[in-house]
Amino acid sequence: RKEVEQDPGPFNVPEGATVAFNCTYSNSASQSFFWYRQDCRKEPKLLMSVYSSGNEDGRFTAQLNRASQYISLLIRDSKLSDSATYLCVVTANQAGTALIFGKGTTLSVSS
Amino acid sequence: GAGVSQSPSNKVTEKGKDVELRCDPISGHTALYWYRQSLGQGLEFLIYFQGNSAPDKSGLPSDRFSAERTGGSVSTLTIQRTQQEDSAVYLCASSLVSLLAGGPNEQFFGPGTRLTVL
Repeated sequence: RKEVEQDPGPFNVPEGATVAFNCTYSNSASQSFFWYRQDCRKEPKLLMSVYSSGNEDGRFTAQLNRASQYISLLIRDSKLSDSATYLCVVTANQAGTALIFGKGTTLSVSS
Repeated sequence: GAGVSQSPSNKVTEKGKDVELRCDPISGHTALYWYRQSLGQGLEFLIYFQGNSAPDKSGLPSDRFSAERTGGSVSTLTIQRTQQEDSAVYLCASSLVSLLAGGPNEQFFGPGTRLTVL
């Protein structure tokens, strides 16, 4: 089983749509979770951390289910600028020094 | 302030040659990471430096790969006797690690070095 699994997509949605990405991880010892965004041929950038209680940042909502080892990202009112690859990231050790990246889910928002 | 910088941005080399990739982390960041991203693949962790501690080399794929960090700042990743499968984008990231934070801090990535081994 892959350590972090994501549906690669692509997800093709119109502007204004709501889209959800899911991610599962295999390491039950993972303590911290993140969503990173990577634009084409660019470096990854942190989008948001994911907390057990769920957290929201504007149009973005992240959820974590530790029992199911499942993480989600919901994007509301999609914008053209949201087009990118979204990487699910978990820590590999308790210290959090090593991150395991999923291969990413590609989102394409069209007008 | 300046972000993480990497050089060169592109490197084309012949199979069997050695290459050195450089990373300048954000000033004051004590943690430095190297990853590589092959075409269509996720980021693969290579090595991690934290202050003066021994580096975590658990991700290095073979003994042809090595890295050092001088003076707790600049890092170089060296690949000896390059192979075609080494072709990838090599990304460096740094973070400000605080024990008080209780967890990993955000990693800031450099633009990467695109390595092509012919």
